[in-house]
Amino acid sequence: DAKTTQPPSMDCAEGRAANLPCNHSTISGNEYVYWYRQIHSQGPQYIIHGLKNNETNEMASLIITEDRKSSTLILPHATLRDTAVYYCIVRVRSGNTGKLIFGQGTTLQVKP
Amino acid sequence: EAQVTQNPRYLITVTGKKLTVTCSQNMNHEYMSWYRQDPGLGLRQIYYSMNVEVTDKGDVPEGYKVSRKEKRNFPLILESPSPNQTSLYFCASSRLQTSTDTQYFGPGTRLTVL
Repeated sequence: DAKTTQPPSMDCAEGRAANLPCNHSTISGNEYVYWYRQIHSQGPQYIIHGLKNNETNEMASLIITEDRKSSTLILPHATLRDTAVYYCIVRVRSGNTGKLIFGQGTTLQVKP
Repeated sequence: EAQVTQNPRYLITVTGKKLTVTCSQNMNHEYMSWYRQDPGLGLRQIYYSMNVEVTDKGDVPEGYKVSRKEKRNFPLILESPSPNQTSLYFCASSRLQTSTDTQYFGPGTRLTVL
């Protein structure tokens, strides 16, 4: 599985967009980019995933570069409840398909 | 409500005393998995199961056992716990091989082995 690199921490003002970058320069053609978050030692929560097209759901948007070597998770209007550790995960869809390899993630602090 | 439940949520025990952490999901998921989370090491997979009676080792299986006799349940068994198994444990479940196989995590079990 490809490795990911994320900044260890970021701040964001409440109400502003939070843009969380992720580098996955060794990603393979059959690997998806997933984002999860973990709020204060709770179970990780799925946010969004994508292969090569940009994706949007009710929680966030995922922008994947054309070469797929990096992506950005966008929380359009961050709230204090979005303060969490955000994990970018590259995941192959074969074999142990459920396995998620969590890195250190980005700690996002949303400030009032 | 779709959910993964774990019991107990908190447990303090002593070295060598067998314990079981239960995990149950109500979504009819085929795939279930156990992770442990430790400071500086992130979440690491212990065991997983792709269906009833089908289990396999993850990255850190030593000292743990699992069973999958029913689709909804996936207990984690520590036959002889040791202090290095003090950790935060998460159970997770998902469907297999669909385009949106979101993985659902339980609330966690904080285990302390003295």
